[in-house]
Amino acid sequence: QVSLQESGPGLVKPSETLSLTCTVSGGSITKHGYYWGWIRQSPGKGLEWIGNVYHSGSTYYNPSLKSRVTLSVDTSKNEVSLKMTSVTVADTAVYYCARQTIDVGAAHPWGQGTLVTVSS
Amino acid sequence: DIQMTQSPSTLSASVGDRVTIACRASQNIGMWLTWYQQKPGKAPKLLIYKASTLQSGVPSRFSGSGSGTEFTLTISSLQPDDFATYFCQGYDSYSPEDLFTFGPGTTVEVK
Repeated sequence: QVSLQESGPGLVKPSETLSLTCTVSGGSITKHGYYWGWIRQSPGKGLEWIGNVYHSGSTYYNPSLKSRVTLSVDTSKNEVSLKMTSVTVADTAVYYCARQTIDVGAAHPWGQGTLVTVSS
Repeated sequence: DIQMTQSPSTLSASVGDRVTIACRASQNIGMWLTWYQQKPGKAPKLLIYKASTLQSGVPSRFSGSGSGTEFTLTISSLQPDDFATYFCQGYDSYSPEDLFTFGPGTTVEVK
């Protein structure tokens, strides 16, 4: 059974870079048919898609975040990474990673999420 | 870009009620509509994909319907465990910048 776990600093200063890792266990990230995605949720708000990466390295980004976001995969470690530059308080959110099926676009499973607070 | 809307934003209901949540896409997304349930402090849980296919392990009181731009999530008889927020999500595999779009959510609360 595939499970995902996000990790990274819980506090980032404004203008700095947010870096998170999603470690996948119970299955290979190179398995065909799946994207690996990042979604965030600001406190008390809805869900916002950040972007997806395929195990080949192909990436797809939300246009509103594209200029600041880079997704990558490390197949040797079975990990997916998110980097977001020039963060502001508006980037404070719970960040989730999820496996998303290419055929129907459904996200399952999800990681438990990690809260990142942007504050000086 | 695709926009997803949901109605109502909040729904007050009692155990045993039949509950219906609507989701609308700003353009045709075919059958590529997914529903999630989220409880406070937890990650969203997949309920239904491809508009009407129930995810394994999800109770049969949940059902989905619709296609194109209009979709519906129905809970046939609301149970105590169903008080939560529900999100729809559209998928457009032909538009890399519109790949996944979430609705704003509908909160089902105790009446």
